[in-house]
Amino acid sequence: DTAVSQTPKYLVTQMGNDKSIKCEQNLGHDTMYWYKQDSKKFLKIMFSYNNKELIINETVPNRFSPKSPDKAHLNLHINSLELGDSAVYFCASSLPRGYEQYFGPGTRLTVT
Amino acid sequence: KQEVTQIPAALSVPEGENLVLNCSFTDSAIYNLQWFRQDPGKGLTSLLLIQSSQREQTSGRLNASLDKSSGRSTLYIAASQPGDSATYLCAVRVDTDKLIFGTGTRLQVFP
Repeated sequence: DTAVSQTPKYLVTQMGNDKSIKCEQNLGHDTMYWYKQDSKKFLKIMFSYNNKELIINETVPNRFSPKSPDKAHLNLHINSLELGDSAVYFCASSLPRGYEQYFGPGTRLTVT
Repeated sequence: KQEVTQIPAALSVPEGENLVLNCSFTDSAIYNLQWFRQDPGKGLTSLLLIQSSQREQTSGRLNASLDKSSGRSTLYIAASQPGDSATYLCAVRVDTDKLIFGTGTRLQVFP
């Protein structure tokens, strides 16, 4: 059974386009996250939601807009894509306050 | 500002060796520390979670220790196998459930 799933796995698009990445977890967790892994493999948090409420926004450009329709889903919409947005985006989930975070398989975004 | 560093950046060992991966963090005010494994082109698999009040955690051939006051954690892998080849990441949890990741250690175990 897939715990944290993301779609699509790969996304290739041109500069200026708008795209979305979807994330779903079936673990019953209240908290979900988006992380970005850059070309140097460094992972950094972008957003965190707890029970559909935004908790963390790590000075991410407002071209990035997370949306949580319910506590099992956290989607990431990106407007006006730029070359520098090329990265692997990981979704994760956890119970709140100090429990393990479980990661999805990642979405490799390539902006040309 | 919390910074997490992992040493070495890369490690290549023959099968069967015991090895130690190091993780250091600059601010001891952490809630817990988590070790992950990442295979090429894949997501992260959680290996061990150590709460700030704990000193170590064990899972099979893996043992992780935490010395919060000195800002250090080690991941000990016993009797390494080629299947252990991956990048190992440590991450500390600071306020509001945010994980700060280290720079990673790329491990290769050759037969």
